[in-house]
Amino acid sequence: KAGVTQTPRYLIKTRGQQVTLSCSPISGHRSVSWYQQTPGQGLQFLFEYFSETQRNKGNFPGRFSGRQFSNSRSEMNVSTLELGDSALYLCASSLKGGNSPLHFGNGTRLTVT
Amino acid sequence: AQTVTQSQPEMSVQEAETVTLSCTYDTSESDYYLFWYKQPPSRQMILVIRQEAYKQQNATENRFSVNFQKAAKSFSLKISDSQLGDAAMYFCAYRSADGGGADGLTFGKGTHLIIQP
Repeated sequence: KAGVTQTPRYLIKTRGQQVTLSCSPISGHRSVSWYQQTPGQGLQFLFEYFSETQRNKGNFPGRFSGRQFSNSRSEMNVSTLELGDSALYLCASSLKGGNSPLHFGNGTRLTVT
Repeated sequence: AQTVTQSQPEMSVQEAETVTLSCTYDTSESDYYLFWYKQPPSRQMILVIRQEAYKQQNATENRFSVNFQKAAKSFSLKISDSQLGDAAMYFCAYRSADGGGADGLTFGKGTHLIIQP
């Protein structure tokens, strides 16, 4: 069974632009979560989706948004990029959300210049 | 809010020996889950072991075991017979069981584990 797939693996954007990251969960998994990883703040929870509904959102500004499609694939969007948004963005899927074990992808490395 | 603290930024161990990584957490909840994740240079977070707070028995997975002390809010990871492939960043994480755990994982800052051949 294929694992969690995140595209693209690397991305370079300029301040003020917007970016969309994609995540394909493991087949059969209905929940997708997103995390931001930076050297300074570590790993921080962004949001979690289950059956196309956002269940919760971490402490991030409204510039960070996401959605989940009927096939469980998810996208994350960051608008008006700032230098501080440079990070590794990790997506994780689980069978039914909640406390089901998370399976992570390899992440998308976003660099904002 | 819950916090997770890993007090060892870096640990080094000889191949085939045993190493223990420390983790403490702060919470007012009684029902929760604790995890250890491994992140090798490939960046993919891999679940090493999972502990349910209401279970007194310490979880084990082959060479990996935990020492879960609920009263002390401590959750250490022991790696026995260390192998070169164990070299990675190790993250301790907490997840509330309330509300179905929809708040996501709270991670510690991580411990960089070095295996000396």
